[in-house]
Amino acid sequence: NAGVTQTPKFRILKIGQSMTLQCTQDMNHNYMYWYRQDPGMGLKLIYYSVGAGITDKGEVPNGYNVSRSTTEDFPLRLELAAPSQTSVYFCASTLTGGIGDTEAFFGQGTRLTVV
Amino acid sequence: GNSVTQMEGPVTLSEEAFLTINCTYTATGYPSLFWYVQYPGEGLQLLLKATKADDKGSNKGFEATYRKETTSFHLEKGSVQVSDSAVYFCALRNTGGFKTIFGAGTRLFVKA
Repeated sequence: NAGVTQTPKFRILKIGQSMTLQCTQDMNHNYMYWYRQDPGMGLKLIYYSVGAGITDKGEVPNGYNVSRSTTEDFPLRLELAAPSQTSVYFCASTLTGGIGDTEAFFGQGTRLTVV
Repeated sequence: GNSVTQMEGPVTLSEEAFLTINCTYTATGYPSLFWYVQYPGEGLQLLLKATKADDKGSNKGFEATYRKETTSFHLEKGSVQVSDSAVYFCALRNTGGFKTIFGAGTRLFVKA
């Protein structure tokens, strides 16, 4: 199993450009998440999905969009990149949200710099 | 709301020293508690977990006990190694919930 795969690993964007961060999991997990990690800070939830076709906002959704057309894929879209979006982005997945299946699996991260 | 508070880092230790990283939480109900580790250039990995009061999670020489009376889940290791240098995150997830709340992370440096 590959687990959770994120691409790209690094990217530099100019202000106003757009890009999509890709995330794929092969564990048939229902729940997927996007987090951002700013220097010296914990992870903040951007968006999450509880299944294909269902997404919802997390703590810091402004400036981002997501879609979940399949169970495996959960891309994160930045439409108009801003310097405040410079961060490390992590995708994660869990099988369910209930008791007994509480471990989250993370991708390796995407380091994004907006200049 | 739910929250996790960790001791600020960085923590710098010599090899074979004793490690404690403090973590306290605020939550309704009976959350599951986790420690995740992030090695340089990598994503987070689950280090250990505990799902109910008085449970002790352990892995790779690390351990943490779920203390409901003090709402704490402190991470300990008796003898650290250089390879333990990483960022450690305390986290919780509430019963029946699916959003994991992370602390700010504590960076550990271990010197040879």
